[in-house]
Amino acid sequence: TQLLEQSPQFLSIQEGENLTVYCNSSSVFSSLQWYRQEPGEGPVLLVTVVTGGEVKKLKRLTFQFGDARKDSSLHITAAQTGDTGLYLCAGEKGAQKLVFGQGTRLTINP
Amino acid sequence: KAGVTQTPRYLIKTRGQQVTLSCSPISGHRSVSWYQQTPGQGLQFLFEYFSETQRNKGNFPGRFSGRQFSNSRSEMNVSTLELGDSALYLCASSLRDRADTQYFGPGTRLTVL
Repeated sequence: TQLLEQSPQFLSIQEGENLTVYCNSSSVFSSLQWYRQEPGEGPVLLVTVVTGGEVKKLKRLTFQFGDARKDSSLHITAAQTGDTGLYLCAGEKGAQKLVFGQGTRLTINP
Repeated sequence: KAGVTQTPRYLIKTRGQQVTLSCSPISGHRSVSWYQQTPGQGLQFLFEYFSETQRNKGNFPGRFSGRQFSNSRSEMNVSTLELGDSALYLCASSLRDRADTQYFGPGTRLTVL
């Protein structure tokens, strides 16, 4: 059983469309991170959210941390082919333990 | 500043053999963490080293071990390889601990036949 459940696991959409990826858990996290991983490379940190209800924007990407700090979402506006990749959420539970979701494989078609 | 480097990038072994993977962190980073990534289980934490000491350990059998040298470079070793050990092994470095931003290397793709 995954501590962090990501949905959907796979998503394929056309360029220009909007999308939302979810990261859910029954556990409370002190912080939550989002990463993007491209083929042949390691994950790259996109953002860290710390406060319940926090919203962070990174150009066309909007990240939200749930009020109870158990879930998070990533919304991409006007997706571009360069957004293609594996998106991973990771939660920190204290004692410096970082757990990852299984990821959402996103494909943006031209 | 050079990123995290991992060697080798690809490795093929047979069951029962052992393997050693190497990780060189970003200069000045003292914490090195190792992860196993598989399609079925995703990214799972193996262990973390800081100042040559293992500080945290994930839920993996004792066949998986590691060490860190005085220059912060780290190695992980897997003994008596099993088919299920086939995975991408990722190393991540951070300044002090995993609460700091982790920078991942490109990984070592291990295939066990």
